[in-house]
Amino acid sequence: DAGITQSPRHKVTETGTPVTLRCHQTENHRYMYWYRQDPGHGLRLIHYSYGVKDTDKGEVSDGYSVSRSKTEDFLLTLESATSSQTSVYFCAISEGTGRNEQFFGPGTRLTVL
Amino acid sequence: AQSVTQLGSHVSVSEGALVLLRCNYSSSVPPYLFWYVQYPNQGLQLLLKYTSAATLVKGINGFEAEFKKSETSFHLTKPSAHMSDAAEYFCAVTVFSGGYNKLIFGAGTRLAVHP
Repeated sequence: DAGITQSPRHKVTETGTPVTLRCHQTENHRYMYWYRQDPGHGLRLIHYSYGVKDTDKGEVSDGYSVSRSKTEDFLLTLESATSSQTSVYFCAISEGTGRNEQFFGPGTRLTVL
Repeated sequence: AQSVTQLGSHVSVSEGALVLLRCNYSSSVPPYLFWYVQYPNQGLQLLLKYTSAATLVKGINGFEAEFKKSETSFHLTKPSAHMSDAAEYFCAVTVFSGGYNKLIFGAGTRLAVHP
């Protein structure tokens, strides 16, 4: 299995509080991604990174920010959590894009009350 | 816009029966296509991928998929279902947007296998 860990694995928080999710990889892959998974929507890309300090928005980026200060770590921050951000969040990594598959972490289940 | 459609959000089969999970894509260029499987409370795991080599792609756990350009389809099959195949399956296509390739996922098909 690809070396990807996510922390925390479960979190319950209240509306309006900031939340940071961490993704850590030991594969030295260049590309990292954050997705959210909701019933009926599959996985939707929030943000991605194509190198240290290089990030860009995905299709559902509103209310989220990211940072990547080291190759191995990709942080997802909800500045002020809302109930609509209750979801399961997955981190993924890949060596390249296009034909390269993505490898997924175990996920973080976030509940915003 | 490029997209992926998975027909049937739930599929139920008997153990030993054929598994057929449908995926259609829209793409203006030859695509890269993937099937992933997700077991309960786990991340996604790659089953197989199509990258413009052979149109019939074999994956793990006895699954295979056939790329049909004329039908814009990439259906997943397995000749004989096992109880352990019960999971959610996602089809995905690579799209080029914003200068980089990204994966677009279908909504998923939950496979139930009954004795």
